[in-house]
Amino acid sequence: KAGVTQTPRYLIKTRGQQVTLSCSPISGHRSVSWYQQTPGQGLQFLFEYFSETQRNKGNFPGRFSGRQFSNSRSEMNVSTLELGDSALYLCASSSRTSSEGGELFFGEGSRLTVL
Amino acid sequence: GQQVMQIPQYQHVQEGEDFTTYCNSSTTLSNIQWYKQRPGGHPVFLIQLVKSGEVKKQKRLTFQFGEAKKNSSLHITATQTTDVGTYFCAGPSPNSGGSNYKLTFGKGTLLTVNP
Repeated sequence: KAGVTQTPRYLIKTRGQQVTLSCSPISGHRSVSWYQQTPGQGLQFLFEYFSETQRNKGNFPGRFSGRQFSNSRSEMNVSTLELGDSALYLCASSSRTSSEGGELFFGEGSRLTVL
Repeated sequence: GQQVMQIPQYQHVQEGEDFTTYCNSSTTLSNIQWYKQRPGGHPVFLIQLVKSGEVKKQKRLTFQFGEAKKNSSLHITATQTTDVGTYFCAGPSPNSGGSNYKLTFGKGTLLTVNP
């Protein structure tokens, strides 16, 4: 079974630009969560989607948004990039929601550098 | 909101020594999960504990869930260089409405092993 696939793996943007990251979950998984990982803050929860519905959202500004498609694939978008948005963005899929105690299977991440 | 605290932040050991990381939650958890992230890699699910006082073993790794379900520990016996990485605990925390839960991660314990 293929794992969680994230694209692109690496990208460099400049301040003010926007970026879209993509995530393909493990086949059959309908829950997709996004996390931001930085050395100082660790793993910070962004959002969780299940069956195209956003179930939960972390404490990030409105510049961070996401969506999930009918095939469970998910995208997240960050608009008006700031230097502090430089991070590893991790997508994780699960067969159950976090409310149901689902364990997360992470992709390798998209490393975003904002210059 | 709920916090998941982990100690120590760093631990350096000689190969063959034991290692323990501790996780404490400000609230009672329905379950706790442990993940390992190798340097340059992504978090990988290790185990989930659900019952009060539960103890589970995976070869040289022993996981415990406290009686009050507010703390947990991971103990590695006779560390090896392959154990190097950051170990995270994670527990479900409710959103502001209390209807859905997100998985909140501790800051992790970085284990380095001197061969």
